[in-house]
Amino acid sequence: DVKVTQSSRYLVKRTGEKVFLECVQDMDHENMFWYRQDPGLGLRLIYFSYDVKMKEKGDIPEGYSVSREKKERFSLILESASTNQTSMYLCASSFTVPQQAGGQYLPLKETQYFGPGTRLLVL
Amino acid sequence: SQQGEEDPQALSIQEGENATMNCSYKTSINNLQWYRQNSGRGLVHLILIRSNEREKHSGRLRVTLDTSKKSSSLLITASRAADTASYFCATDSLDFGNEKLTFGTGTRLTIIP
Repeated sequence: DVKVTQSSRYLVKRTGEKVFLECVQDMDHENMFWYRQDPGLGLRLIYFSYDVKMKEKGDIPEGYSVSREKKERFSLILESASTNQTSMYLCASSFTVPQQAGGQYLPLKETQYFGPGTRLLVL
Repeated sequence: SQQGEEDPQALSIQEGENATMNCSYKTSINNLQWYRQNSGRGLVHLILIRSNEREKHSGRLRVTLDTSKKSSSLLITASRAADTASYFCATDSLDFGNEKLTFGTGTRLTIIP
């Protein structure tokens, strides 16, 4: 079974602190994602990575950065935590299945496997 | 508005009844997925249906996809208390190399024993 782990289930930080959220997957997946989940807003993508040292902005990257130095690990960094970053943070990973169509490889968007989440409270 | 939007936002039914949730989306997709989330936990993948499929089954789950209407439905038959959770649809992008999924805001399902 795929396992995605997150470093903390609950975290309490103070405004202005630098916060690191770690995510590790054990299935050699190429793709990793960070989401935040807030009531009434669903899941919103912060950043994702499709390879080591590669990163792409999601829908709400402001105030966040990421690091992917190893394939299995994807870190989310809150440079200076603010109260509006209080949220549930979810990490996910997926593999890429290429399929050939018209001579071009098109990656299929496969299942994402989620970690248990980190509930962050910024005071 | 969001790419995937579930309807209704909340649903309460008696145990043993069937539960139906709907998802609408706006742009063309390769596939659509449904996920479940128990309170305070991560999401768990339930089923994936590709754009060239119309219906798919997995145990008590039945998913339909109508690409002409840009909509999908998730049917849970013979519901159980353990089915109480939030259910999300997720749609992908046709962009080459773009691995993003876009999630809706979810349907909160409560099964009354």
